[in-house]
Amino acid sequence: DAGVIQSPRHEVTEMGQEVTLRCKPISGHNSLFWYRQTMMRGLELLIYFNNNVPIDDSGMPEDRFSAKMPNASFSTLKIQPSEPRDSAVYFCASSPGQGLVAFFGQGTRLTVV
Amino acid sequence: GENVEQHPSTLSVQEGDSAVIKCTYSDSASNYFPWYKQELGKRPQLIIDIRSNVGEKKDQRIAVTLNKTAKHFSLHITETQPEDSAVYFCAAMGGSDYKLSFGAGTTVTVRA
Repeated sequence: DAGVIQSPRHEVTEMGQEVTLRCKPISGHNSLFWYRQTMMRGLELLIYFNNNVPIDDSGMPEDRFSAKMPNASFSTLKIQPSEPRDSAVYFCASSPGQGLVAFFGQGTRLTVV
Repeated sequence: GENVEQHPSTLSVQEGDSAVIKCTYSDSASNYFPWYKQELGKRPQLIIDIRSNVGEKKDQRIAVTLNKTAKHFSLHITETQPEDSAVYFCAAMGGSDYKLSFGAGTTVTVRA
């Protein structure tokens, strides 16, 4: 298994542009998490899905952020419009089920200029 | 929601010495406590985990202890080596909502 796959690995965009981050969880995993990592705020949980259904999005910072999971093998995190303060590493993680170990993808380093 | 606090934020140890990182959590219903290691520029990777029905778990040089009454858990690394240098994160998973919340991280430096 290739593990959790995220794309792109790096993204540089101009302020105001739409950004879409993608995640393919490990096959058979039912839970998916999106995290944002910065030096100042550490690892913040943005949103959590179970069986493709958003369970908790209380960590999504603003309406500019949205996430979807149309099927068990794909999820997206969209920022529209992007701002410089959104610059961070965004990680996706998946778990075989609720209460089980989560495995992280390689992350997407987003820079908004 | 769950609040996980982690101390210290930085830790420098001499090679061969032990390192201890401590975490507390707020949700008494939390029942799963993993520890992750993150090397510079890489993803967090699970190194050990413990569930609430166990008080201690060991894997070679790494051990984790859990005190449910006090709501705290600790990571112990013995005989530290330079390759143990990294950022370590503790986490707690809610017993009802299954949200995985992380501590702020501890930067461990092992001096040769």
